[in-house]
Amino acid sequence: QKEVEQDPGPLSVPEGAIVSLNCTYSNSAFQYFMWYRQYSRKGPELLMYTYSSGNKEDGRFTAQVDKSSKYISLFIRDSQPSDSATYLCATPGTYKYIFGTGTRLKVLA
Amino acid sequence: KAGVTQTPRYLIKTRGQQVTLSCSPISGHRSVSWYQQTPGQGLQFLFEYFSETQRNKGNFPGRFSGRQFSNSRSEMNVSTLELGDSALYLCASSFLQSRETQYFGPGTRLLVL
Repeated sequence: QKEVEQDPGPLSVPEGAIVSLNCTYSNSAFQYFMWYRQYSRKGPELLMYTYSSGNKEDGRFTAQVDKSSKYISLFIRDSQPSDSATYLCATPGTYKYIFGTGTRLKVLA
Repeated sequence: KAGVTQTPRYLIKTRGQQVTLSCSPISGHRSVSWYQQTPGQGLQFLFEYFSETQRNKGNFPGRFSGRQFSNSRSEMNVSTLELGDSALYLCASSFLQSRETQYFGPGTRLLVL
């Protein structure tokens, strides 16, 4: 079992839709989680980070952690074509970052 | 503040050759981590350098090596290239240790023919 699992998609949604991207993790010791966005042929850029449980909001983006079910989510409201990218969840493991494989999102105009 | 830079951006090599990739971290950052990204495996950790010392290493063969200089710039070397080494190689820098927030460069896309 991978330490962080993520549905690879692709996920296609119409412009303006609410998008839900999800990851599960296996180690209950993980407490710090990040979401990265990666456009085609670019490096990942940090989008949001959260610590422990609860929600964190930044503009159209909300990151949510549910420690009881080991589930992390990223919600995108009023999605735009410019949000089309691959989204990766990540957590600092014992000595290295652990990344999900990424979910490819396409927002259709 | 300038971001992480990587050179070259694209590289084509043939099997058996060797390659050296370069990474300049964000000014003031002392930790540099290297990753290999492929469609099937996602981001795989190669190694981390801090103060010119390799601090951690992933599960890659010895053909993959790296080093860090006193100005925190880092290089990664792959010897005896194989077709399966074709990938996007990313470096990420962080202030003190790799478990802090990492900032990625644009990557070097390597194609091995």
